Amino acid sequence: KNEVEQSPQNLTAQEGEFITINCSYSVGISALHWLQQHPGGGIVSLFMLSSGKKKHGRLIATINIQEKHSSLHITASHPRDSAVYICAVPYSGGGADGLTFGKGTHLIIQP
Amino acid sequence: GAGVSQSPSNKVTEKGKDVELRCDPISGHTALYWYRQRLGQGLEFLIYFQGNSAPDKSGLPSDRFSAERTGESVSTLTIQRTQQEDSAVYLCASSLALGGPRGYEQYFGPGTRLTVT
Repeated sequence: KNEVEQSPQNLTAQEGEFITINCSYSVGISALHWLQQHPGGGIVSLFMLSSGKKKHGRLIATINIQEKHSSLHITASHPRDSAVYICAVPYSGGGADGLTFGKGTHLIIQP
Repeated sequence: GAGVSQSPSNKVTEKGKDVELRCDPISGHTALYWYRQRLGQGLEFLIYFQGNSAPDKSGLPSDRFSAERTGESVSTLTIQRTQQEDSAVYLCASSLALGGPRGYEQYFGPGTRLTVT
């Protein structure tokens, strides 16, 4: 079963700062997911990636398959980015498996 | 509908009672997942349905938990003889999983908040 480690667990930053959240996993995977959980509890899929880098607006996700490591970056952070960011991978590495999750990174962006 | 829907949104039940939670996936999504998030903790995988294949029940925490899915539509998660430790938000997700090794994006419902008193 895949194990997922995320860091940091908590992060408070000032508006405009560049944010990096890291994720490592133990078993080779088909794809890695980055999710955002809003204060109200809703979960939104931000990225699913299996190699290289993806970018959506101010969010960038990278993955290094050989090192079993991914990072999520937020450029020009804004208070509305405050949320829990969760890394997830298929629990046995396969394509459509259920996911196993990191504990999440609680991000607070102060104005 | 546009997204995954779940009902009820909130459920309060007495210890020992049975509860049923419902999930309506996105139309056409062959894969359906149930997850649980207990207060202050991370998300846990419970069960996964893919088309007509036997479900992957490896995440169910006890035999009090069961789930069914009718074809590629609605799923119900049933918890029998509820215990206080079952209190959690139960989340459903669906994806267009066509088989093979590639990953598929999962779309999450709003969750059902279960409180066992």
